[in-house]
Amino acid sequence: DGGITQSPKYLFRKEGQNVTLSCEQNLNHDAMYWYRQDPGQGLRLIYYSQIVNDFQKGDIAEGYSVSREKKESFPLTVTSAQKNPTAFYLCASIARVPYYGYTFGSGTRLTVV
Amino acid sequence: QQQVKQSPQSLIVQKGGISIINCAYENTAFDYFPWYQQFPGKGPALLIAIRPDVSEKKEGRFTISFNKSAKQFSLHIMDSQPGDSATYFCAASMDRTSGSRLTFGEGTQLTVNP
Repeated sequence: DGGITQSPKYLFRKEGQNVTLSCEQNLNHDAMYWYRQDPGQGLRLIYYSQIVNDFQKGDIAEGYSVSREKKESFPLTVTSAQKNPTAFYLCASIARVPYYGYTFGSGTRLTVV
Repeated sequence: QQQVKQSPQSLIVQKGGISIINCAYENTAFDYFPWYQQFPGKGPALLIAIRPDVSEKKEGRFTISFNKSAKQFSLHIMDSQPGDSATYFCAASMDRTSGSRLTFGEGTQLTVNP
């Protein structure tokens, strides 16, 4: 089955640690996105990538980094500079043509301990 | 200019009733308006979407009403069922421009009582 796989489902981070969230898709989609979800705030865009080896900052990129070395993969690193990382992180992808909207992964819940 | 405002924040409806969620936007360049449904611990899933050249789109029990002049759109869930209990997000984008990035509303938590 085609889809987006996010791992791990739960992740615990200690203060000062960098952690990397995985996002893999086998849909042959061109663009990929990372969103952060907090209660009552909807989904906010962290980073997005339209093609391999290229990515753009979203609305809340500070404290995060990404890479896009392969079409299928778009990992997100939450760095120690992100002061409030506890949230639900969602990865999404889209095909350009035809355009059917976003396909989301099942998310990673990150908690600072 | 990129904001999408959604209301209400939470909604409780009896089984068989109509659920109505409203969204408003500012950016007139938006030309694609989807609604997503999210169950706890899951990613959102596309429910229904509309483009501004039509005023209404219906798929089963779900209908989007779109008012271009008022820059508002709404989701109507007819004959609401307990299985519809979820969080609903409206969104907007400029489709194939700006990386097709979606701007989401704040979400509405719908509870349908049996």
